Amino acid sequence: DIVMTQTPLSSPVTLGQPASISCRSSQSLVHSDGNTYLSWLQQRPGQPPRLLIYKISNRFSGVPDRFSGSGAGTDFTLKISRVEAEDVGVYYCMQATQFPPTFGQGTKVEIK
Amino acid sequence: EVQLVESGGGLVQPGGSLRLSCAASGFTFSSYSMNWVRQAPGKGLEWVSYISSSSSTIYYADSVKGRFTISRDNAKNSLYLQMNSLRAEDTAVYYCARSGYAMSYWGQGTLVTVSS
Repeated sequence: DIVMTQTPLSSPVTLGQPASISCRSSQSLVHSDGNTYLSWLQQRPGQPPRLLIYKISNRFSGVPDRFSGSGAGTDFTLKISRVEAEDVGVYYCMQATQFPPTFGQGTKVEIK
Repeated sequence: EVQLVESGGGLVQPGGSLRLSCAASGFTFSSYSMNWVRQAPGKGLEWVSYISSSSSTIYYADSVKGRFTISRDNAKNSLYLQMNSLRAEDTAVYYCARSGYAMSYWGQGTLVTVSS
């Protein structure tokens, strides 16, 4: 199975300041079809996960443009340009390039 | 609006069985693969099972293989998870999630508690 490793596991951030989460996979996430099926999910407290970013850098419907994704191969990053109060929660990276789909451990974003 | 609504969770004794359901609406259910993903209390996300749109392809996590069975009824826009021989470590919120280029839509989840 592909292991997804996120850093940091906790990220205290000041409102209005940027935040960044890294995700590293144990092997390349480039699929044989040429796509990289790396996505980012947000889970607010008491809520189900919600898709933010798919295929490394594509924002899902309704996701604010302060969220952006980048990376390639085995190293990926989620950035929040200016953290707002509603961004508090746990963020997961997920790979769907190879079965089984696997998730990172989660990064808790909280306000300082 | 895409909606996924899980049901069927509850308290069950070790060794018991439960059947979870996921009712889908707001999209053409028969065109999409579906997944079950679970989250133990205070823990991260764990993929459980996958079924293709026509039910021709099915996968399970090693942790549930031989005990859980995924199925779907496209005429009823519903996804199911039959869970047998339940263990304490199966205690979790179970989510159904729609596949595509990513797990794009998730239900609210249903809590399964395995305890005597």
